[in-house]
Amino acid sequence: DADVTQTPRNRITKTGKRIMLECSQTKGHDRMYWYRQDPGLGLRLIYYSFDVKDINKGEISDGYSVSRQAQAKFSLSLESAIPNQTALYFCATSQSIAPRANTGELFFGEGSRLTVL
Amino acid sequence: GNSVTQMEGPVTLSEEAFLTINCTYTATGYPSLFWYVQYPGEGLQLLLKATKADDKGSNKGFEATYRKETTSFHLEKGSVQVSDSAVYFCALTPYGSSNTGKLIFGQGTTLQVKP
Repeated sequence: DADVTQTPRNRITKTGKRIMLECSQTKGHDRMYWYRQDPGLGLRLIYYSFDVKDINKGEISDGYSVSRQAQAKFSLSLESAIPNQTALYFCATSQSIAPRANTGELFFGEGSRLTVL
Repeated sequence: GNSVTQMEGPVTLSEEAFLTINCTYTATGYPSLFWYVQYPGEGLQLLLKATKADDKGSNKGFEATYRKETTSFHLEKGSVQVSDSAVYFCALTPYGSSNTGKLIFGQGTTLQVKP
């Protein structure tokens, strides 16, 4: 079984619908992240969380919200999906090595491909 | 600001050819540098990293040297295999930004290796 699991793996929806992408991890890491990948743009950070009570916006958080339900679970919501949110979404985890420090190594899920029509 | 620029792809090579994928960065101070690889249908995984100037990261026959003077971290492999076909991402963690754990990625370079 994968250490970082994303559901659903593929989803097609319509403009205006609410969508939730879920991520769970068995690595025991404290940090979790949501990135989106677009062709030619690499990966861009949407939100990140240091622990259950510490959630932070990334560079492209508009139109998205997140919830850290437990240390192992981090979900991403699109309240009202629009076509330019069509992308491949990745959840990732990492382990801090000291308070607010990080090794830089992220562990990624397999991705959730979202298409908004 | 901080940014990473990779060479445009796709890169198409024959098996056993020499590979270079260029990566340059803009950052203040001394960022940590990484190469991630994404195989078809999978998430990204760390390939190698270097945390200070002149460090060489290596893994699975791939190497990259942290060059502060040229702000570069080029990926090389002496003899590629078909199984190396993937998308390669250069990335950095800005110096003093370990409090965010945030990685800044380049746009990715697709490598296709033909038998």
